[in-house]
Amino acid sequence: DSGVTQTPKHLITATGQRVTLRCSPRSGDLSVYWYQQSLDQGLQFLIHYYNGEERAKGNILERFSAQQFPDLHSELNLSSLELGDSALYFCASSPPRGGRTTDTQYFGPGTRLTVL
Amino acid sequence: GESVGLHLPTLSVQEGDNSIINCAYSNSASDYFIWYKQESGKGPQFIIDIRSNMDKRQGQRVTVLLNKTVKHLSLQIAATQPGDSAVYFCAETGGYQKVTFGTGTKLQVIP
Repeated sequence: DSGVTQTPKHLITATGQRVTLRCSPRSGDLSVYWYQQSLDQGLQFLIHYYNGEERAKGNILERFSAQQFPDLHSELNLSSLELGDSALYFCASSPPRGGRTTDTQYFGPGTRLTVL
Repeated sequence: GESVGLHLPTLSVQEGDNSIINCAYSNSASDYFIWYKQESGKGPQFIIDIRSNMDKRQGQRVTVLLNKTVKHLSLQIAATQPGDSAVYFCAETGGYQKVTFGTGTKLQVIP
């Protein structure tokens, strides 16, 4: 158990819908990262937040957005869902050493999204 | 664009033997490299990391080697055990850059 929690564990929805994935970082961690893992694309970095501020952005679609709240939990919003958005979505957190992506990351168990 | 790739998608190793998993990267600006292990149904788990000012780093039964000249990274697992069976990913990043993962190598340990 890494200490990072993600909800829900599984999510099944239809194309065109919008969903919100939630992540709570380890106690004391200020950084939250979001990743997408699909069979054909592997692990893809989406976005990194540090203490509420966006720090780095990967290949995150415009239909996707994220934020980190004052209590440091983060939400990833996926809208206008397509079949290709079906994937595992992981959140990770890292200790407060300045918010670099070079800090050790601890991954949560993931949310499996299925778009029908 | 930048990419990180793995040479072997699947590696089968006899229990007790040493395993070597390789990774090539292409972004010269990356200065931090990480190996992750992902077991079925779980999130990636940090194994070991190395910064670009080093060429070797050892952990418990694992060693990471970095060759910046040819942009190559390897993970060596000594005395491979059944519990080492998983998918292994290399990743690269630097400063405030995005994190780029390799495609992954599946390690199968034969009892």
